[in-house]
Amino acid sequence: GAGVSQSPSNKVTEKGKDVELRCDPISGHTALYWYRQSLGQGLEFLIYFQGNSAPDKSGLPSDRFSAERTGGSVSTLTIQRTQQEDSAVYLCASSLVGTRSEKLFFGSGTQLSVL
Amino acid sequence: DQQVKQNSPSLSVQEGRISILNCDYTNSMFDYFLWYKKYPAEGPTFLISISSIKDKNEDGRFTVFLNKSAKHLSLHIVPSQPGDSAVYFCAASGFMSSNTGKLIFGQGTTLQVKP
Repeated sequence: GAGVSQSPSNKVTEKGKDVELRCDPISGHTALYWYRQSLGQGLEFLIYFQGNSAPDKSGLPSDRFSAERTGGSVSTLTIQRTQQEDSAVYLCASSLVGTRSEKLFFGSGTQLSVL
Repeated sequence: DQQVKQNSPSLSVQEGRISILNCDYTNSMFDYFLWYKKYPAEGPTFLISISSIKDKNEDGRFTVFLNKSAKHLSLHIVPSQPGDSAVYFCAASGFMSSNTGKLIFGQGTTLQVKP
């Protein structure tokens, strides 16, 4: 497809379970970002990948959160031992090379609900 | 510590009138500002941006004004149309983000344009 694709669109899980969220960026985009939006909050930066460089993990809220990007394309965000406060919309974005003046292209997000 | 603040959660205007959305920031290192628009169940889409070397940027019906001394920016939409009804996010980046597109977002303002 032409845009950023995220799956699943909705995920309901029980507290303590692990979840995996997937992001397929725009073809050719080397920069990939994960953000999350909790209810009533703005978008919160989680992690940034750029090419083969080490990812910027400075936004990950705890060590239960991890992400990887395989082959410079698809990315997976994993949340282990989910907690109710993890409930949010998780948004993935990509850009061509990752400079500050570039616009980000966002996917539609994954709505995660932890019961 | 909310570095980018949108103090009005919602705004309602009549079709054809001007919509003014406001955003304040606290970090003087921010030097690039963007507005994103988000419809329900979709990811945010880029709307307009401004560099700190400018105080105004215009794109069709959308104009962003930047007041660096007040650490304030605003988005003007004129004339407003019902299709403009969406959540608007203000975002900022600065030198501390290195050369990445890592953005700090505000909480968003929901704009409703009434026919």
